[in-house]
Amino acid sequence: KNEVEQSPQNLTAQEGEFITINCSYSVGISALHWLQQHPGGGIVSLFMLSSGKKKHGRLIATINIQEKHSSLHITASHPRDSAVYICAVRSNTDKLIFGTGTRLQVFP
Amino acid sequence: EPEVTQTPSHQVTQMGQEVILRCVPISNHLYFYWYRQILGQKVEFLVSFYNNEISEKSEIFDDQFSVERPDGSNFTLKIRSTKLEDSAMYFCASRGGGAWEQYFGPGTRLTVT
Repeated sequence: KNEVEQSPQNLTAQEGEFITINCSYSVGISALHWLQQHPGGGIVSLFMLSSGKKKHGRLIATINIQEKHSSLHITASHPRDSAVYICAVRSNTDKLIFGTGTRLQVFP
Repeated sequence: EPEVTQTPSHQVTQMGQEVILRCVPISNHLYFYWYRQILGQKVEFLVSFYNNEISEKSEIFDDQFSVERPDGSNFTLKIRSTKLEDSAMYFCASRGGGAWEQYFGPGTRLTVT
């Protein structure tokens, strides 16, 4: 069983739709990252969370430590949001443990 | 804004050859990492490095792999004798001493033929 599970694996949306991507983890963590990976392969950090909620523009990330669950929301989605979104948890030994990613495609 | 850089962006090598992947972390960062992503798979941890020592390494990081910070700015990953299964995107990351957020480089795509 994967230590970090994401759902859904693939997601398609129409421009303007509200998007939710979920992440559940089974290990002890000190923080959780949401990352974005574009087709060229580069990884960009969107958020790092250890509690509560963070917002950056149209992106919102939440985490529930007790339930070992985090969500990434995208409001008013746009085709440029199309990418793979990856949840990664910071283990108690500092390394990141990655989920398998959610491939999002937003159509105009 | 400071960023992590990696060279080369793409390396093609023959099986059995040695390769060195180079990373320049953000200048005041103290913790350094290598991760890899085989095509179509998730990103995997390879090794973490602090104070000129390996802090942690994964099962993947066997005797064929080594890391070095040769000159206080570069952070390198060496694969001594490449195998076909080493073909992957290799990401370097770094973080500062007072924060947990890791910053990723753009990756080096290694193709072993």
